[in-house]
Amino acid sequence: AQSVTQLDSQVPVFEEAPVELRCNYSSSVSVYLFWYVQYPNQGLQLLLKYLSGSTLVESINGFEAEFNKSQTSFHLRKPSVHISDTAEYFCAVSDFQGAQKLVFGQGTRLTINP
Amino acid sequence: KAGVTQTPRYLIKTRGQQVTLSCSPISGHRSVSWYQQTPGQGLQFLFEYFSETQRNKGNFPGRFSGRQFSNSRSEMNVSTLELGDSALYLCASSLAGLTDTQYFGPGTRLTVL
Repeated sequence: AQSVTQLDSQVPVFEEAPVELRCNYSSSVSVYLFWYVQYPNQGLQLLLKYLSGSTLVESINGFEAEFNKSQTSFHLRKPSVHISDTAEYFCAVSDFQGAQKLVFGQGTRLTINP
Repeated sequence: KAGVTQTPRYLIKTRGQQVTLSCSPISGHRSVSWYQQTPGQGLQFLFEYFSETQRNKGNFPGRFSGRQFSNSRSEMNVSTLELGDSALYLCASSLAGLTDTQYFGPGTRLTVL
C-alpha cells in the first residue's frame, strides 16, 4: 500500500527567503507524484507533477520539485517566496499498476511573514 | 470552460440520517473521484468512477457509496450518518483517471449533529 509523509505540518518563513517543503512516499510499485496547493478560501489545484522523464519538474510560479527514487522523496522548493504563496500544500502519489488510489499527505501550511 | 461544481455547498444533518451530495465534472471529463477532508485525517480518497463504473475504492465503510450517470455527473451517498462523518467532501474530475491532473470542486461542508 502507498503512503505519503509530509514531515512538516507548518512552515513559517519570511518573504523573499527560500523554502523547502518535504515529502516522502512509500510504494512497492512505480508511481506518479503530485503537489497540490490550496490557497485560503479556494479549492485545491495542481501545482506540478512528475510522471516520467526529467526528475526535476517546475511550476509556472517558480516552484520546483525533484523526484529522488533512491530516497523516495519529492520535495518542493522555491528560492524566494512571496506573500501570495501563503497556502496549504499537499503531496500526493498515485500508482500506475493494479488498483489505483490517489493518496495524499497530511499537508504543510506555508505561512509567509513580511 | 466551467469548473467542477458541487451542490449543496453546506449541509447540516443529524446522526442516523442519510445524505446525497452531487458533483458535476468539467465538460468532457469522464473520471470523477471523491475525497473526505478532515483536520485529523487530512485528505482521504473515497472512490473513483469512470464511464459510470466504480473503478477504484478507498478504505471507507459500505455506508459510503456513489454512482455516476451517463453525462458523467456523480452523486455520493452516506447512510446512517455518524458524528465522525462531519467533513469537507471534495470531488474532482479528470480526463483519464487518478494518474491524470485532478480538477477539484469547492467542496460540500457536511456537519453531523
